[in-house]
This record gives sequence, structure tokens and C-alpha cells, in this order.
Amino acid sequence: DTAVSQTPKYLVTQMGNDKSIKCEQNLGHDTMYWYKQDSKKFLKIMFSYNNKELIINETVPNRFSPKSPDKAHLNLHINSLELGDSAVYFCASSQRIRTDTQYFGPGTRLTVL
Amino acid sequence: GENVEQHPSTLSVQEGDSAVIKCTYSDSASNYFPWYKQELGKRPQLIIDIRSNVGEKKDQRIAVTLNKTAKHFSLHITETQPEDSAVYFCAASSDSSASKIIFGSGTRLSIRP
Repeated sequence: DTAVSQTPKYLVTQMGNDKSIKCEQNLGHDTMYWYKQDSKKFLKIMFSYNNKELIINETVPNRFSPKSPDKAHLNLHINSLELGDSAVYFCASSQRIRTDTQYFGPGTRLTVL
Repeated sequence: GENVEQHPSTLSVQEGDSAVIKCTYSDSASNYFPWYKQELGKRPQLIIDIRSNVGEKKDQRIAVTLNKTAKHFSLHITETQPEDSAVYFCAASSDSSASKIIFGSGTRLSIRP
């Protein structure tokens, strides 16, 4: 059983396009996150949802919009993709906000050409 | 703003020797300090964590120490093995609603045979 899954695993697209990444967790957790890992391996939180409510919203361009249809899903939609958006995006979940083990998805490698 | 500094950025040790990675944090409200291991091309996975009510925690060859006064915590790996080669991230967070989850910049650990 996959605890946290993401689709797609790879995403190659042109500048200016709009794309979405989907995330699902079957752990019954209340909190989900999106992280961006750049080419230097820095891991930075972007968003966090708790029970479908946005809790953490870091300084991220408003081209990025998370959507949580239910507790088990947190999707990331990106408008007008730019070269600098190229990175690996990880979804994660935890039972409690902030101070609990985070379970990461396999990551989505986004390449913007 | 809040910050977590991690050192060294790269570390190479002989198989069987010990490895130590250090992190310092700036937010005195931080009370949760996890360590994640990320193998090449894989997702980050928790290997050990410590909360501010204890000073040390061990799990087989891995231990973490916390000095709240100095605001630093360290990961110790003894009897290193080839499978310990990975990037290790420390992180700090608190239960405060104003808290952010901040990761260190990562340490690439290589084990020499």
C-alpha cells in the first residue's frame, strides 16, 4: 500500500503553460503539505492544509494555488509556468500540524523548457 | 526571521567511523527537531526526532542530542555503513500557530569503503 502518492512522477512542459500535480494520502492524516526542492537540494515548505483549511502559506507566487477537496487529497496547480519553477515538488502528510513525523510522497520532477 | 543552519554541507567518512552533523536554530519557541534522510532520487524519510523535553535520544546506530540553551542539535551516526550514504536534513518547528517548519540546507554524507 502506498502511503502518500503523487502524480505525475515527471512533468515536462513549456514556459507559460498551466499544470497540476495531484497528491493523495491513505494514512488518515489531518495535515498535508507541499514542498519545493530546488537543484541545490534545498527543501522549502510552500503550503500546509489542516482538515482542508489553509494553515501555512509561505511567500510563494500567486501563480501557485493549492486545492484540498478533502483531507486525503492536496493538489497543486501552477499557472503561467516559468523556468525558475523547475524543481522537484514533494507532497507530505502528518497527523499533527508542524510537530509530527512527515511522510513524503515520491516527488514530481517538473521541468520547464 | 527564523532560520536553521546545518553543517557541514558535505561529509566523507571511512566505513566504520562515526559521522556527526550539527544544526542550530534561531526560534527559541521551537520544540520539535526531526532528522530526515534522502537517498539519491528518493523521498525524504524520517530517521529520528527529538522533542524539547529530552536532551538525547538513541535508535541503534543513530542518536540525536539537543542543547536548548545553545539552540543547537546534532545527529550522530556510529559504525557507518555504505547504506548510510545520503543527504541528511535537520528541521525545527513548534506548536505555535505562527511557527514555520524550517529545514536545514542538508548534508551530503559519503561513506568511503
